[in-house]
Amino acid sequence: DGGITQSPKYLFRKEGQNVTLSCEQNLNHDAMYWYRQDPGQGLRLIYYSQIVNDFQKGDIAEGYSVSREKKESFPLTVTSAQKNPTAFYLCASKDYEVGISPLHFGNGTRLTVT
Amino acid sequence: AQSVAQPEDQVNVAEGNPLTVKCTYSVSGNPYLFWYVQYPNRGLQFLLKYITGDNLVKGSYGFEAEFNKSQTSFHLKKPSALVSDSALYFCAVRRRSNFGNEKLTFGTGTRLTIIP
Repeated sequence: DGGITQSPKYLFRKEGQNVTLSCEQNLNHDAMYWYRQDPGQGLRLIYYSQIVNDFQKGDIAEGYSVSREKKESFPLTVTSAQKNPTAFYLCASKDYEVGISPLHFGNGTRLTVT
Repeated sequence: AQSVAQPEDQVNVAEGNPLTVKCTYSVSGNPYLFWYVQYPNRGLQFLLKYITGDNLVKGSYGFEAEFNKSQTSFHLKKPSALVSDSALYFCAVRRRSNFGNEKLTFGTGTRLTIIP
């Protein structure tokens, strides 16, 4: 089955530690995205990548970093500079095409920082 | 800047009754519009999209949405609600263009509860 795998499902970290969230897709999609979801705020775009070795900041990139060394993988690092990292993080992908293909989402990683 | 408003945080509907989840949008030019559904501790699932043409769009699980350009709305509807429809629903908009990299903007979500 094609899809997006995010791991782990739950992640706990102490304040001041960097943490990396995994996102892997086997849909052969060019574009990948990271969103952050907080109650009552909807989804906010952190970073996105349209092609390997290229990525752009979204609306709330401060305190986060990404890499895109392989088409299938788009890991997100939450650094100690992120002031409020506890959230539900969603990875998504889509065909990068002229048109309007929908986003495909993983099942998310819930990060708790104490 | 583009934006989406979902004016109701919570909608309660009795099972078997019709349901409506409201969405209005603001975007420069013509829009592409989407509805997604999210079940607890899961990612979002695509329900339907409006591109162009017929203002009534049919999607998954018996849902449909009506595009109204004059009211800049894209309300989600279903003729007869099921308990399994209970979930969080998100409306999203992007600007219509020839580029696949246009940003998608999401609303804040509406929690739909179907009462048995």
